[in-house]
Amino acid sequence: DGGITQSPKYLFRKEGQNVTLSCEQNLNHDAMYWYRQDPGQGLRLIYYSQIVNDFQKGDIAEGYSVSREKKESFPLTVTSAQKNPTAFYLCASSIGRQGSGTQYFGPGTRLLVL
Amino acid sequence: QQQVKQSPQSLIVQKGGIPIINCAYENTAFDYFPWYQQFPGKGPALLIAIRPDVSEKKEGRFTISFNKSAKQFSLHIMDSQPGDSATYFCAARERGQNFVFGPGTRLSVLP
Repeated sequence: DGGITQSPKYLFRKEGQNVTLSCEQNLNHDAMYWYRQDPGQGLRLIYYSQIVNDFQKGDIAEGYSVSREKKESFPLTVTSAQKNPTAFYLCASSIGRQGSGTQYFGPGTRLLVL
Repeated sequence: QQQVKQSPQSLIVQKGGIPIINCAYENTAFDYFPWYQQFPGKGPALLIAIRPDVSEKKEGRFTISFNKSAKQFSLHIMDSQPGDSATYFCAARERGQNFVFGPGTRLSVLP
């Protein structure tokens, strides 16, 4: 059963703590993306990766970091530098490189600050 | 110029009604326009998509109308059902660039 999985579904962060959100896809897609969604707002791009070992900053990359060591995995770390991390985080992937395919989304991770 | 404007912000219709959600853009280089449906606490799911060389596309009860000269496109939901209650996002993409998303429309279909 192909798709995108994100874990955990809910994540709690203490002040000063770094947390990592997992995103895995078995669709054999080249490109992967991380978006942030705030209540009543659209999707804002955090980071994207077109190929293994390469990634670029999106519109709101400050306070976040990523890695792309494997084609199927694109974890996002929310660092302590991100002062307002409470949001719904969505991972997506597309079959081709940037701009060449429809994006498919995972189920999301809700991050809450304690 | 990279924005996609979407209206209305929220919409309430009776069961069987035809909600219409509108999107507008400025960038004439956009060449792909998908619509996504998102239920609370879930990720967006691709609903239907259109390219600018087509004026209308239907998939089941969902129809996209595209007006290239006006730089507008809209989603129509025929015979709407309470199960269609969700947030709908339009998006646009210029080849070689990332997607740009509208802010979303929250649709409520009353039984």
